[in-house]
Amino acid sequence: DAGITQSPRHKVTETGTPVTLRCHQTENHRYMYWYRQDPGHGLRLIHYSYGVKDTDKGEVSDGYSVSRSKTEDFLLTLESATSSQTSVYFCASGPLNTEAFFGQGTRLTVV
Amino acid sequence: QKEVEQNSGPLSVPEGAIASLNCTYSDRGSQSFFWYRQYSGKSPELIMFIYSNGDKEDGRFTAQLNKASQYVSLLIRDSQPSDSATYLCAVKDGAGNKLTFGGGTRVLVKP
Repeated sequence: DAGITQSPRHKVTETGTPVTLRCHQTENHRYMYWYRQDPGHGLRLIHYSYGVKDTDKGEVSDGYSVSRSKTEDFLLTLESATSSQTSVYFCASGPLNTEAFFGQGTRLTVV
Repeated sequence: QKEVEQNSGPLSVPEGAIASLNCTYSDRGSQSFFWYRQYSGKSPELIMFIYSNGDKEDGRFTAQLNKASQYVSLLIRDSQPSDSATYLCAVKDGAGNKLTFGGGTRVLVKP
């Protein structure tokens, strides 16, 4: 299995607080992605990165920001968490023009 | 129109039968196509990828791609109860950067 780890695995936070989720990969993959998964919506792309400091928005980027200062780390920040951001978040990474490998997921609950 | 569309199912098939899953995509410049399987509570895992028009077989799985019709499908032959899962279609854009998923098709294989 590709070495992709997400932290934390579970988090409960209060509305209005900032939250950062971390994705770490040891595969030297160029591409990294953040998705959220909600019942009835499949995997929706939040942000993605195609290199260090190269990021772009996905289909559901409002309220989220990302940073990638090193190849191995891709951080997702919820600026001010809302209940609508309660979800399971998946990070994925992959080399050029091939498939992406997924981390274990982070279950985030905003109360 | 969503970028990648799938029938949500559930698709119920008897054990030993063929399960046929379909996916359509909107970006005519898309070059890479993937099928993932996701068991409940788990991360998505890659089943197959296909880049060229036609069929690609891997064991009991066959992926079919028709770029002119913007259509990709997955056939599961000799379906087993262990194939019961959600199957996700994913498409990479023409630049090879963004990986977009459909909503997934839930498959139930009944003994």
